[in-house]
Amino acid sequence: EVQLMESGGGLVQPGWSQRLACAASGFTFDDHAMHWVRQAPGKGLEWVSGISWNSDNVGYADSVKGRFTISRDNVKNSLFLQMNSLRPEDTAYYYCVKDAMVRGVTKRLVYSLDFWGQGTLVTVSS
Amino acid sequence: QSVLTQPPSVSAAPGQKVTISCSGTSRNIGYNYVSWYQQLPGTAPKLLIYDNNKRPSGIPDRYSGSKSGASATLTITGLQTGDEADYYCGTWDSSLAGGVFGTGTTVTVL
Repeated sequence: EVQLMESGGGLVQPGWSQRLACAASGFTFDDHAMHWVRQAPGKGLEWVSGISWNSDNVGYADSVKGRFTISRDNVKNSLFLQMNSLRPEDTAYYYCVKDAMVRGVTKRLVYSLDFWGQGTLVTVSS
Repeated sequence: QSVLTQPPSVSAAPGQKVTISCSGTSRNIGYNYVSWYQQLPGTAPKLLIYDNNKRPSGIPDRYSGSKSGASATLTITGLQTGDEADYYCGTWDSSLAGGVFGTGTTVTVL
């Protein structure tokens, strides 16, 4: 059974940093691209960032480019999101998401997002 | 803001059919496969349709997807109260080099 467990959410002040982690199990982690998708309370989905199976290709939404950094540890089956210079508009549930494609070879990071974690809430407020 | 446009809401009686449109451009839907996601109240999204019209294991055939040009459509037949949820389309945008989602559609069973 695929499981994705996010951690690291909480209340943080504007301008501060936060690091999210996702522990993955139940599938061959290093075969799949992984993503972070966020959802502000009561709002729609926003793709935040993705990383290829081998970390060769990473991508970011314009709204977080230069502030957020995605990374992964294929030995520990873990995904991370380092968030710097946080803003109130970054307040959202952050989901760790698995991509269905096995070892995608193109520059396209997102194919279909077949498993989602339960999400962790990040609140940016003073 | 969302790159893909969906109607805010659709509704129908139990047993009826609803269709949800997703409008994009040649740089996203027109060039890439589309997925659809269902988000029940208070839960994480779930993959409903991938590669325009394929269903993952366990998804009933009441759900179907199609694509024509730069638009995609999700159809739900035999509507049930358990279908009340938010539905999002999603794909890759080759120009933005990022994932994109639709604005979301709330399905209400009358």
